[in-house]
Amino acid sequence: GAVVSQHPSWVICKSGTSVKIECRSLDFQATTMFWYRQFPKQSLMLMATSNEGSKATYEQGVEKDKFLINHASLTLSTLTVTSAHPEDSSFYICSAGEQGASYGYTFGSGTRLTVV
Amino acid sequence: GESVGLHLPTLSVQEGDNSIINCAYSNSASDYFIWYKQESGKGPQFIIDIRSNMDKRQGQRVTVLLNKTVKHLSLQIAATQPGDSAVYFCAENQYNQGGKLIFGQGTELSVKP
Repeated sequence: GAVVSQHPSWVICKSGTSVKIECRSLDFQATTMFWYRQFPKQSLMLMATSNEGSKATYEQGVEKDKFLINHASLTLSTLTVTSAHPEDSSFYICSAGEQGASYGYTFGSGTRLTVV
Repeated sequence: GESVGLHLPTLSVQEGDNSIINCAYSNSASDYFIWYKQESGKGPQFIIDIRSNMDKRQGQRVTVLLNKTVKHLSLQIAATQPGDSAVYFCAENQYNQGGKLIFGQGTELSVKP
């Protein structure tokens, strides 16, 4: 079945630095990828929709200059958290939809970001 | 609206009992719904899905019911096992919002042996 690889699985960074998270579809082409953030004991909140070859669409309240999304190929989307602060510490999860498929999405294993 | 800032409700059941997890969705135009299971520290795992032209779908030990009139979904797990302990989310595919997948609040299922 469809597999989505997310890397790194966890990262600790200092305040003010930037962190890049990668999301790869391993055995299918994904025209659309989604990025979610999840705080402890809460649901997944959609941050943005990433479309291959075009600008990402951000949800209301998500700062596009802080959370940079690049979807340069049909198998790779990246999320860069710029100038990270402790309140950015969270679990970030990506999902990918298979090109031409009319059914659900496959999720990555998530990235635990801790900003100290 | 979307689930923001709400803490997870919990459901505790005895091993072997049936579990019913409920979910309300927000967009009457949503045409496709999915139940996911999420274990601690992992990404969501697909369980079962249902399209809006159906009101019931069965899988292995799981059944999803859809009531479009009241915008309600339920997930029934038969003969619940300790390995079923996890957080369960429903998600709606918002067809009229570019196919975004929006998650419901979630329920934490705890199975007692």
